[in-house]
Amino acid sequence: KAGVTQTPRYLIKTRGQQVTLSCSPISGHRSVSWYQQTPGQGLQFLFEYFSETQRNKGNFPGRFSGRQFSNSRSEMNVSTLELGDSALYLCASDTGTVNTGELFFGEGSRLTVL
Amino acid sequence: EDQVTQSPEALRLQEGESSSLNCSYTVSGLRGLFWYRQDPGKGPEFLFTLYSAGEEKEKERLKATLTKKESFLHITAPKPEDSATYLCAGKGGAQKLVFGQGTRLTINP
Repeated sequence: KAGVTQTPRYLIKTRGQQVTLSCSPISGHRSVSWYQQTPGQGLQFLFEYFSETQRNKGNFPGRFSGRQFSNSRSEMNVSTLELGDSALYLCASDTGTVNTGELFFGEGSRLTVL
Repeated sequence: EDQVTQSPEALRLQEGESSSLNCSYTVSGLRGLFWYRQDPGKGPEFLFTLYSAGEEKEKERLKATLTKKESFLHITAPKPEDSATYLCAGKGGAQKLVFGQGTRLTINP
């Protein structure tokens, strides 16, 4: 069974640019969530999508957005990049059952903003 | 606001030296407490779910326990391959997974 696939794995952008990250969940998983991981703040929840609808959202500015497609694949976008957006962005999928914390994570997309 | 705090930040043990990692939580309407393992350059890997105080789960050399305010991850006779960062996370009524900062565990042979 293929795991969660994230692309690209590494990318470098400059301040003010925008970036789109992609996530393909495990087959059959309908929920996709996104997390930002930094050394200072740890893992922070960005948002969760289930059946193409945003089901939950973390405390991030509107520059961070996402969407989910009918095949459960998801993308997240960050506009007007800031230096502080440099981080590992992790995508996780699960079956979508409420209260589950058993997430399957991808290896992440490492974003560097110069 | 829901909060999860892990201690210590880092722990070095000799192979075979048992110890415990701590996770303190204040999560409103706790729905579950979760443990993950993260190796360098990888995403976290799910280990355990605990739902209620008094519950225990075991997997190989790891045992997770839960009280009303804390969870412990006990590691018995660890091996070098147990070296990783261990993350604790809580999910409450808001249905958002809140992670602690992690404990970086190093097992020396």
